[in-house]
Amino acid sequence: KAGVTQTPRYLIKTRGQQVTLSCSPISGHRSVSWYQQTPGQGLQFLFEYFSETQRNKGNFPGRFSGRQFSNSRSEMNVSTLELGDSALYLCASRPTADTEAFFGQGTRLTVV
Amino acid sequence: QQQVKQSPQSLIVQKGGISIINCAYENTAFDYFPWYQQFPGKGPALLIAIRPDVSEKKEGRFTISFNKSAKQFSLHIMDSQPGDSATYFCAASYSNYQLIWGAGTKLIIKP
Repeated sequence: KAGVTQTPRYLIKTRGQQVTLSCSPISGHRSVSWYQQTPGQGLQFLFEYFSETQRNKGNFPGRFSGRQFSNSRSEMNVSTLELGDSALYLCASRPTADTEAFFGQGTRLTVV
Repeated sequence: QQQVKQSPQSLIVQKGGISIINCAYENTAFDYFPWYQQFPGKGPALLIAIRPDVSEKKEGRFTISFNKSAKQFSLHIMDSQPGDSATYFCAASYSNYQLIWGAGTKLIIKP
């Protein structure tokens, strides 16, 4: 069974640009969550999608948005990139809300 | 309150010793308490999880102790090994809600 796949693995963008990250969940998993992790920091929750609907949202500015497609694949978009957006962005999928979350390897975003 | 408070922030333990990481929560609606282990460059992976109907769960060298009345739960790693050196996160959740994460504990096992 394939795990959670995130693409790309690494990304370098310039301040002011926008970026789209992709996450393919484990087959059959309908919940996809996104997290931002900076060095020495914990997991900052961005949002969760379940069956194409945003179910929960963290405290991030509107520059951070996401969506989920009918095949459960999810994308996260960050517009008007700032230097502080440099981080590891993790995607996690789970079959239902109160079960194990499986994480991808993450996308390392560097904003210069 | 939705916070999960984790301590200590970092921990150094001798090989063969017991590593103990603690978490406390406020929301009594939480009914799922997992612990995740993260190695550098990797995403977190589930280590062990517990629900509030039991006070302890053991899987190999890893044990979760759960105190419902105190709203605390802890991870014990027995016979700690250098390969256990990683960052550990506790979390809590309830039906249809996202996982609420602790801040993480960086564990170093000295040979």
